Amino acid sequence: QKEVEQNSGPLSVPEGAIASLNCTYSDRGSQSFFWYRQYSGKSPELIMSIYSNGDKEDGRFTAQLNKASQYVSLLIRDSQPSDSATYLCAVNKGSADSGAGSYQLTFGKGTKLSVIP
Amino acid sequence: NAGVMQNPRHLVRRRGQEARLRCSPMKGHSHVYWYRQLPEEGLKFMVYLQKENIIDESGMPKERFSAEFPKEGPSILRIQQVVRGDSAAYFCASSPRGNNEKLFFGSGTQLSVL
Repeated sequence: QKEVEQNSGPLSVPEGAIASLNCTYSDRGSQSFFWYRQYSGKSPELIMSIYSNGDKEDGRFTAQLNKASQYVSLLIRDSQPSDSATYLCAVNKGSADSGAGSYQLTFGKGTKLSVIP
Repeated sequence: NAGVMQNPRHLVRRRGQEARLRCSPMKGHSHVYWYRQLPEEGLKFMVYLQKENIIDESGMPKERFSAEFPKEGPSILRIQQVVRGDSAAYFCASSPRGNNEKLFFGSGTQLSVL
């Protein structure tokens, strides 16, 4: 079983719609969860982090975490063509609060999102 | 307010040559991470360094690969006797603290081995 799994896509949504990106992880000890956006040929950019169960909203982005189901998702509301990119889910076993634990982020392969004008 | 600087942006080497990839972290960051991204693969952790110390190199191949982060100057990822399988994008990231809370990535070095 892969450690962090994402549907590779491409996921196509019309402009203005909600894009839903999903990620599952295998290690129940994981504590911190991140979504990175990577435009083609560019570096990954952190857009959301989430540490506890539930929803976390930041502008048009909402991250959702369900540790019991080992599932994390990213919703993008009012999708724009500029949101077209690959979205990487990353998981860290360590605790963000204590600073202890693994220094490694485990990334999924990413989901390619295409927002159609 | 420069971000994480990596150079070169593209590096072409023939099999058996050495590759040196450089990374200057963001100002004020003393934690550096190297990740490798193979085509159609996710980013894979290689090594985590602080100034003059390798903290975690568990993701780095045992042979031919080495990394350093000297007291002065950039972090260097060195690959000796490159093979075609080393062709990949190598990303450096830095953070103000060593807990992965927020990594800032550089633009990467695309290594091509002929």
